[in-house]
This record gives sequence, C-alpha cells and structure tokens, in this order.
Amino acid sequence: EVQLVQSGPEVKKPGESLKISCTGSGYNFATYWIGWVRQTPERGLEWMGIIYPDDSHTIYSPSFQGQVTISVDKSITTAYLQRTSLKASDTATYYCARVGGSYYSDYYMDLWGDGTTVTVSS
Amino acid sequence: EIVLTQSPGTLSLSPGERATFSCRASQSVSGRYLAWYQQKPGQAPRLLIYGASNRATGIPDRFSGSGSGTDFTLTISRLEPEDFAVYYCHQYGTSPPWTFGQGTKVEVK
Repeated sequence: EVQLVQSGPEVKKPGESLKISCTGSGYNFATYWIGWVRQTPERGLEWMGIIYPDDSHTIYSPSFQGQVTISVDKSITTAYLQRTSLKASDTATYYCARVGGSYYSDYYMDLWGDGTTVTVSS
Repeated sequence: EIVLTQSPGTLSLSPGERATFSCRASQSVSGRYLAWYQQKPGQAPRLLIYGASNRATGIPDRFSGSGSGTDFTLTISRLEPEDFAVYYCHQYGTSPPWTFGQGTKVEVK
C-alpha cells in the first residue's frame, strides 16, 4: 500500500524543540518530493517547504525559512520537520505530503499523511 | 506570493444539487498549476484535481475543474452525501512559495 505514516501527537512547552517524522512506503520514496503543510483554524493551510529525498534539495517558503528545518534519511524512507524554540503559535496540525509531479514541475500533493498534532503550552 | 481567494466561504446545498466553487488568484498562475483538495473533519486533505482540470486517480467524474490565469472553478455536478466537506485550491506555479486558498465549506441545507 502506498502511504505516508507520520509520528504521533506531541505536547511541548514553549522554548522546547520538536522533530516529527513522515515515513513513506509502497513507492520509490527517493524520487518524489515530500512537502510539509501546517494547518491552523486561524491561518488555514500553509505550505512550508519541500525536500527531494534523492539529493536532499530543499525549498522553503519565505515564511518558514530559518524557522524550521526539513531533512530526510532516504535509507529509511523518512522525512523530518524540525523546529527549535517552540512558541504557542506553533500549535497546529502538521501534514507531510508527497508531491505528484516531476523534479522540475507539477508540485501538487497527491498523497498525504494523517497529520501530527502539535500542542505548545506552558 | 500569490494570494488565492475562494468564494463563497460556505455553500448550503442539498444532496443532488450542483456545487460550484471559485478560486481567484492575485496574479496569473503559470501553467494552469492549480489543484483542488477535499478535507473532511479529522482527516487529511485529499487531492481531487491537478493541472486545473485533471482528475486525480479514483476521483469520480462528478468532480470537474476548469479555468486559467487568475480564475479557476471546481464543480461537483450532483452532490453525494459524502461530498459535504471543505474544499481548498492550491497554486503551485513557476516560483515558490506555493499557496492555498482559505477554503469553501459545503454544508447540508
């Protein structure tokens, strides 16, 4: 089965760090971009960035550049989203998604993980 | 950054009716790189349409997409009970960042 499986819910305190994972299976993980999307009731869906597992080339949204780190370990078909110095405003559901097109174009998201809920509260 | 504005915010319709969703971009979306997603409560978004008019695998033909430039439309020809959800457009044109609309909710009238 083609799927993305995300790590479980997280509860963190302000100032702590976060690293969530997304493991792909059932397809050639290395040759599809993986993206991260944040969802909150206030701001809706926000495109954070994408990474190409085969060469680790990464593209960030300017809104998230310097705020998060997207990485990948293709040997275990897993992508990661990392954030340090968490704030309450980082409370959200974070989705990983496979990008359906090619390396150079068509960056729609055709396969989504179930989401990781992150709560940041003192 | 391209801003996508979806309208209306909420559609109140009955099963069997036609649903039409609008997505307007603040500047032209190159290559018709526009996708539509459906999201139900507690679930991840699901791809419906990509390239403005191409149905994703397994999507029923009652879903159709059209448009180019700055104006795009998603149509559900006859609403089924399982279609009541929130629908988002997403532009992934030539240059990032790629952006989503704020969503249109379809509710039972």
